[in-house]
Amino acid sequence: EVQLVETGGGLMQPGGSLRLSCAASGITVSDNYMSWVRQAPGKGLEWVSLIYSAGITNYADSVKGRFAISRDNSKNTVYLQINSLRAEDTAIYYCARGKFYGGPPPFDLWGQGTLVTVSS
Amino acid sequence: SYEVTQPLSVSVPLGQTATITCGGNNIGIKNVHWYQQKPGQAPVLVIYRDTNRPSGIPERFSGSNSGNTATLTINRAQAGDEADYYCHLWDSSTAVFGGGTKLTVL
Repeated sequence: EVQLVETGGGLMQPGGSLRLSCAASGITVSDNYMSWVRQAPGKGLEWVSLIYSAGITNYADSVKGRFAISRDNSKNTVYLQINSLRAEDTAIYYCARGKFYGGPPPFDLWGQGTLVTVSS
Repeated sequence: SYEVTQPLSVSVPLGQTATITCGGNNIGIKNVHWYQQKPGQAPVLVIYRDTNRPSGIPERFSGSNSGNTATLTINRAQAGDEADYYCHLWDSSTAVFGGGTKLTVL
């Protein structure tokens, strides 16, 4: 079955760090654009980061310097390291695959999301 | 950075046609994708590259993109189409989402 499964969310203290994981099955993460997209409670979708098949990464300006995306090809897993947590990082974090159809890719495969809550 | 604008809400009578817009400067030259998100669920791709439907998406869903507006059209709207809809495009290796439109089927 083709799926993405996110784990690692939870209740975190401001200023802390955590690492989210996105385990893929049925696809090979190193062959794909993989992104993290977050959604604050009651709000819209916000793109966070991506990692290209070549390993190049990019980030939204709002998280640059605090977030780091990476992958472990042997585990077929993508990670999102979040440092210096802030209340505004509270959101469901989705892992998504960018599928090439001959142009800038849409996100055709999404995980179920993992909730990160930042509160003291 | 590139910005896109969606109406906060759209209402459509059951069985009629819903139109959801995504506005942006010269958006017609970009590839626009559309997602449907129901409460408590992950987004689902319904239109990619302006006009294309993924496998499994009903033909009632269609898209267009020209000038400063991309449009998602839902024909013969059903109660099950009630959801939030988001447009998405790429701008210089950065993904941009619209703010989302809540579709209500009356």
